[in-house]
Amino acid sequence: SQKIEQNSEALNIQEGKTATLTCNYTNYSPAYLQWYRQDPGRGPVFLLLIRENEKEKRKERLKVTFDTTLKQSLFHITASQPADSATYLCALETGTASKLTFGTGTRLQVTL
Amino acid sequence: KAGVTQTPRYLIKTRGQQVTLSCSPISGHRSVSWYQQTPGQGLQFLFEYFSETQRNKGNFPGRFSGRQFSNSRSEMNVSTLELGDSALYLCASSLTRGLTEAFFGQGTRLTVV
Repeated sequence: SQKIEQNSEALNIQEGKTATLTCNYTNYSPAYLQWYRQDPGRGPVFLLLIRENEKEKRKERLKVTFDTTLKQSLFHITASQPADSATYLCALETGTASKLTFGTGTRLQVTL
Repeated sequence: KAGVTQTPRYLIKTRGQQVTLSCSPISGHRSVSWYQQTPGQGLQFLFEYFSETQRNKGNFPGRFSGRQFSNSRSEMNVSTLELGDSALYLCASSLTRGLTEAFFGQGTRLTVV
């Protein structure tokens, strides 16, 4: 069956460190993968999109990698800050439709 | 520019009733998708509309329906509400279909009692 797993339900790190979140999928052939941030009681906010033929994408302190052989994406936040505390969701799209399949999310807590 | 607007923000309904939720996408965006978010199941795709036509449907019963108007505004309807329909319903708009970021609204929190 198709599955998207974000392998940590919660991740606690210290301010200034790099947070690394993992998204693994099975039985998908995604055309692209997206990462979103969601704060409590609010809708997800788009962060980064990476295509199947791209290995890495960066945006300010954010970096995402996409390995279609390992069927895995890694999401990094460098120099993390307490304001980065939120739930981070990965989402796959397999075709040309606007139909995203989301992982269960990782709740990141950055402490001083 | 204004973001995605969903109304109402909160709703309490009784089992068996029906409900209509509204979504106004970002101006110029033609694709609207709906998602249901619950603590147990996470974010699940309901349906996608583009140019007033349903293009994709998720694995939900026929009690869940939707439509899109010529100005790209969208509504979703849930009939014969069940307790399990209690969830945060999120609308997302995109400029076009696929390979583009989705902009989500704040959601409508539906509670069925």
